[in-house]
Amino acid sequence: EVQLVESGGGLVQPGGSLRVSCAASGFTLSNYWIHWVRQAPGKGLVWVSRFHSGGSPTTYADSVKGRFTISSDNAKNTVFLHMDSLRAEDTAVYFCARGAQTATYYLDYWGQGSLVTVSS
Amino acid sequence: SSELTQDPAVSVALGQTVRIICQGDILRSYYASWYQQKPGQAPVLVIYAENNRPSGIPDRFSGSRSGNTASLTITGAQAEDEADYYCNSRDSSGDHVVFGGGTKLTVL
Repeated sequence: EVQLVESGGGLVQPGGSLRVSCAASGFTLSNYWIHWVRQAPGKGLVWVSRFHSGGSPTTYADSVKGRFTISSDNAKNTVFLHMDSLRAEDTAVYFCARGAQTATYYLDYWGQGSLVTVSS
Repeated sequence: SSELTQDPAVSVALGQTVRIICQGDILRSYYASWYQQKPGQAPVLVIYAENNRPSGIPDRFSGSRSGNTASLTITGAQAEDEADYYCNSRDSSGDHVVFGGGTKLTVL
């Protein structure tokens, strides 16, 4: 069974850093793109980034480029979203999602989400 | 432009048919996929590649495309279909993904 489980969210002050993890099971991480999508309270879905541990270039939304980076530990089948220079507007639930092999933007499995709150 | 536009809200009477639309120039070249999100839950893929349903999605959900408009149709809407629906697609470079603003479906 395919599963994605996020962890690591929490409260952080403006300008701070945080790492959210996405643990995958039921499939081999290196065969798929993993996307990060966020949702601010009461708002819609916003794409953040996509990552492939096989070496294809990672891409980011303009709103997070230069502040967010993604890495992975393939042995643990886990992807990490590293967030630096956090702003109040980064407050959101962060979902990781798997890109389907037919087209990477078809997000066929999603994690439950991890809440990141940026506030002093 | 890679923007996708959705109506903010749509309503349908129980058992009737409703169409939720998503508009954007990028849809002339690439298919949309559709997601259902209920309060407090993660989104669920309901349609991909214009009109394909993942396993477990009821066949009352269908998709189509015409020009710059993708549509999600629910034939015989049920109370459990009340949710937010989002479309997404890729941008012209293929490096980014874009979501529509979402449509809140109310089943009356």
